[in-house]
Amino acid sequence: AQSVTQPDIHITVSEGASLELRCNYSYGATPYLFWYVQSPGQGLQLLLKYFSGDTLVQGIKGFEAEFKRSQSSFNLRKPSVHWSDAAEYFCAVGFTGGGNKLTFGTGTQLKVEL
Amino acid sequence: DTAVSQTPKYLVTQMGNDKSIKCEQNLGHDTMYWYKQDSKKFLKIMFSYNNKELIINETVPNRFSPKSPDKAHLNLHINSLELGDSAVYFCASSQNRRGTEAFFGQGTRLTVV
Repeated sequence: AQSVTQPDIHITVSEGASLELRCNYSYGATPYLFWYVQSPGQGLQLLLKYFSGDTLVQGIKGFEAEFKRSQSSFNLRKPSVHWSDAAEYFCAVGFTGGGNKLTFGTGTQLKVEL
Repeated sequence: DTAVSQTPKYLVTQMGNDKSIKCEQNLGHDTMYWYKQDSKKFLKIMFSYNNKELIINETVPNRFSPKSPDKAHLNLHINSLELGDSAVYFCASSQNRRGTEAFFGQGTRLTVV
């Protein structure tokens, strides 16, 4: 069965610093990969996705992620974090034949110090 | 316009009661889902419907019964509520296409006391 690991439960960065959130997946074939963000009391908003093609994908709010097949990773990055980026970030994986269901990682809570 | 809307946003009820959560999407999607987010924020799929047909049922107790009157609506009915049912329930929808992303509602925070 597919699984997703987000090794960092909490991350704190200073405003203006760069950010990298880690995501590793376990799946036999190439999965579909997603990053979602959840602000307190809100639903999940899609930041970006990887389906095929270019392994570096650009998303909303200045985020990008790179798919590395050899490392089974899909890390999320942002060159300069803003205070409004403080939220919970979820990596998710879908796969062909899975009925488009998403398997989520446990999330990484991002705090931004001013 | 809200793409995926759920009602109510908050629901507090006593053990043993029966309650429903409603979900509607105006995106024209064929597939709808219910996800449960527990107190540790872990998200797990419960059900998926495609064109009103159940396609995923992830070992959810049969006290939980989804109902899809049409492809724009997927309601969740829960019988005999237990303390452990307390969670945030998210409705989502997507196109019925490989690799497509899901759009989520704002969630319903269910508290069973």
